[in-house]
Amino acid sequence: DGGITQSPKYLFRKEGQNVTLSCEQNLNHDAMYWYRQDPGQGLRLIYYSQIVNDFQKGDIAEGYSVSREKKESFPLTVTSAQKNPTAFYLCASSNPRRQGSSNQPQHFGDGTRLSIL
Amino acid sequence: AQKITQTQPGMFVQEKEAVTLDCTYDTSDPSYGLFWYKQPSSGEMIFLIYQGSYDQQNATEGRYSLNFQKARKSANLVISASQLGDSAMYFCAMREAGFQKLVFGTGTRLLVSP
Repeated sequence: DGGITQSPKYLFRKEGQNVTLSCEQNLNHDAMYWYRQDPGQGLRLIYYSQIVNDFQKGDIAEGYSVSREKKESFPLTVTSAQKNPTAFYLCASSNPRRQGSSNQPQHFGDGTRLSIL
Repeated sequence: AQKITQTQPGMFVQEKEAVTLDCTYDTSDPSYGLFWYKQPSSGEMIFLIYQGSYDQQNATEGRYSLNFQKARKSANLVISASQLGDSAMYFCAMREAGFQKLVFGTGTRLLVSP
């Protein structure tokens, strides 16, 4: 079945360490997104990519980095510069080039919970 | 700037009853889309229903319907015949035409009791 796979499900980071969250999709979607969710809050956009080898900052990009070398993959690195990384991270994809692009929903993975040791 | 407001932090409903979850939005763009997502305790976001700003009729998807009042900038989700499995967080989100990002509200936690 087509879908979005995020790994790992749980991740622990030590002080000063970079960690990378994986996101893979087999939906053949052009666009991919990373969101951060803090307890009791909605989702905030970290980065998004509309095509391979291109990505844009979202609302809270500081302390994060991404790459989009393949259509299927959009890994997120949480760097040591991100001082409060504990959160739930969700990856999503969509196909904006389909007809009526504004009505295409984003499809989400199951998320990764990141905590500081 | 886009903004989504969900004023109900929590809602309680008995099984088989209908419930309305409120969502108001703010945008200056005449073309936009409104989405509702369900987030169970396991964390995944499940797409429920979509309403376009130019749609003439309110959207419906099974037990879900959207009460879209454009002049009031509201897009309330109505769940009919609630089930225990409907207990979850519900998020309203908006996307303006030409932009790919979704702006989310803070969510409403729905609890369905037997």
